[in-house]
Amino acid sequence: KQEVTQIPAALSVPEGENLVLNCSFTDSAIYNLQWFRQDPGKGLTSLLLIQSSQREQTSGRLNASLDKSSGRSTLYIAASQPGDSATYLCAVRLKGGSARQLTFGSGTQLTVLP
Amino acid sequence: DTAVSQTPKYLVTQMGNDKSIKCEQNLGHDTMYWYKQDSKKFLKIMFSYNNKELIINETVPNRFSPKSPDKAHLNLHINSLELGDSAVYFCASSQDGGSPSPLHFGNGTRLTVT
Repeated sequence: KQEVTQIPAALSVPEGENLVLNCSFTDSAIYNLQWFRQDPGKGLTSLLLIQSSQREQTSGRLNASLDKSSGRSTLYIAASQPGDSATYLCAVRLKGGSARQLTFGSGTQLTVLP
Repeated sequence: DTAVSQTPKYLVTQMGNDKSIKCEQNLGHDTMYWYKQDSKKFLKIMFSYNNKELIINETVPNRFSPKSPDKAHLNLHINSLELGDSAVYFCASSQDGGSPSPLHFGNGTRLTVT
């Protein structure tokens, strides 16, 4: 059974800092990994999707990396802004499975202080 | 032009009642989902449905039932509500066939059972 863990559970940084959020998973036979952002009272917004054949994906100030062999992914946020404050979740889809078999971590709650 | 919309946003009801949450997606996706997010922010899939099959997470009580009048809608019916059903319920959709797309989430329905 796939388990997804995110550390830390909460993180507070001053504006402008670069930061890294961590996601680890127990079954390395994954199809893809997806990072989401959740704002309070809102649904999840997809940030980046990394296929199992990829090592990283970039979108603006965000960079997500994937290391299947070690069962890890990181989300790097450059030059953080107060608007980045949200909960960040990673989700893993197993190989041979479908999106219905996504397993989510419990998220990292990020606060960027002005 | 909301991609995935669900109603109501908030639902407060008493134990024993029957309620429904509606979900619609205008993305042309072939698969829709219902997720439950508990107080610890864990997201767990309840159902996934496309025009071929309904897959139910075996941990979901049979008081919960999805109803899909067409491929753009997946409503959630809950019978005999219990206190433990209080949570935020998210609808989502994706294109599961062909080149799978990221999940797109609605903004959630906060259910409070008193």
